[in-house]
Amino acid sequence: DAGVIQSPRHEVTEMGQEVTLRCKPISGHDYLFWYRQTMMRGLELLIYFNNNVPIDDSGMPEDRFSAKMPNASFSTLKIQPSEPRDSAVYFCASSGGWRNTEAFFGQGTRLTVV
Amino acid sequence: GDSVTQMEGPVTLSEEAFLTINCTYTATGYPSLFWYVQYPGEGLQLLLKATKADDKGSNKGFEATYRKETTSFHLEKGSVQVSDSAVYFCALTSSGSRLTFGEGTQLTVNP
Repeated sequence: DAGVIQSPRHEVTEMGQEVTLRCKPISGHDYLFWYRQTMMRGLELLIYFNNNVPIDDSGMPEDRFSAKMPNASFSTLKIQPSEPRDSAVYFCASSGGWRNTEAFFGQGTRLTVV
Repeated sequence: GDSVTQMEGPVTLSEEAFLTINCTYTATGYPSLFWYVQYPGEGLQLLLKATKADDKGSNKGFEATYRKETTSFHLEKGSVQVSDSAVYFCALTSSGSRLTFGEGTQLTVNP
């Protein structure tokens, strides 16, 4: 398996534009997580899914953020409209479930909103 | 709720020095504990884990022991190398598969 695949690796966009980040989890994994990493706030869990169903979205900062998982092999995180303070590295991770199973991370998408 | 506290960084060491990064946690029940490492420009990857009290996780010369009595999971390495320079995250899961991370500790090893 190629691991968790995220695209794009880098995204530069103008304030007010819509941004869509994409993630392909490892095949067979039941859990998918979206994290945001910044220098100021560290690593934050935004939302996670179990079997394609959102379980906890309490970390989503505001209504401008939305996430979907239409099937077991694909998820998106959308920001509309984007703002400069959304600039961060966004990570997707997946795991096979059970509390002692490690999470596998993608390489992240570095988002810059100018 | 669950929480993880790591020693404040950054940490700078010379090659072959001894490393300790402290980690303490608060959780309900019996959590599983993890150390993740993040090299520059990359995602996090699992370094080691322990799933019950007194377990010792080890990998690449790093070790950590699950201490329930002190709610700690300190990371140690006897002799660090330049290639160990990275950010280290302590984490736990106590319900389901949701990971709770510490703040991360930046380690720089100088030759």
